[in-house]
Amino acid sequence: KNQVEQSPQSLIILEGKNCTLQCNYTVSPFSNLRWYKQDTGRGPVSLTIMTFSENTKSNGRYTATLDADTKQSSLHITASQLSDSASYICVVSAMNSGGGADGLTFGKGTHLIIQP
Amino acid sequence: DTAVSQTPKYLVTQMGNDKSIKCEQNLGHDTMYWYKQDSKKFLKIMFSYNNKELIINETVPNRFSPKSPDKAHLNLHINSLELGDSAVYFCASSQDYRAMAGELFFGEGSRLTVL
Repeated sequence: KNQVEQSPQSLIILEGKNCTLQCNYTVSPFSNLRWYKQDTGRGPVSLTIMTFSENTKSNGRYTATLDADTKQSSLHITASQLSDSASYICVVSAMNSGGGADGLTFGKGTHLIIQP
Repeated sequence: DTAVSQTPKYLVTQMGNDKSIKCEQNLGHDTMYWYKQDSKKFLKIMFSYNNKELIINETVPNRFSPKSPDKAHLNLHINSLELGDSAVYFCASSQDYRAMAGELFFGEGSRLTVL
């Protein structure tokens, strides 16, 4: 069964500090991995998409890494800001013959709180 | 310009009622989706339409009926609402149904509360 596990479930850090969120998956065959940011009361917004051949991808202060061998990904946030407070959701896409959204497996997210 | 818009944003209703949530996207995408996010914040796909045709129908009670009048709109009608239907419902769209290739764009969500 395809699964995506995220850790920690929640995290509180001080503004300006760095943090790293983890995502482990068992989705197979792997197609791509995405990180989404979901602000409270809003819809998820894409941060990065990585395919099998990509090890790292950056979007401003967000850097995602992917190790397809160990089936792990991390999202590193540098110099955190109050606006980074949100849930971060890892989504892994399976390469199925039919394609389509049934190939997406969502993690439960990490709830990040940045304190001033 | 809002890419994926859904209405209403909040909906409070009594058990047994029928309600609808509307969704529209102006991105020119072929595929639209409905997701349900429960109290544990877990997003789960319900339906997917590609060019007005149903392509994914997860194990969802048939009280839920999606309707796509054109590829820019996907509405969700729910009959005989139950307490367990309380959740946030997200509409999303992608360029085509091959979600592994395309990016998903989500709406802001519609929070449904059934009393």
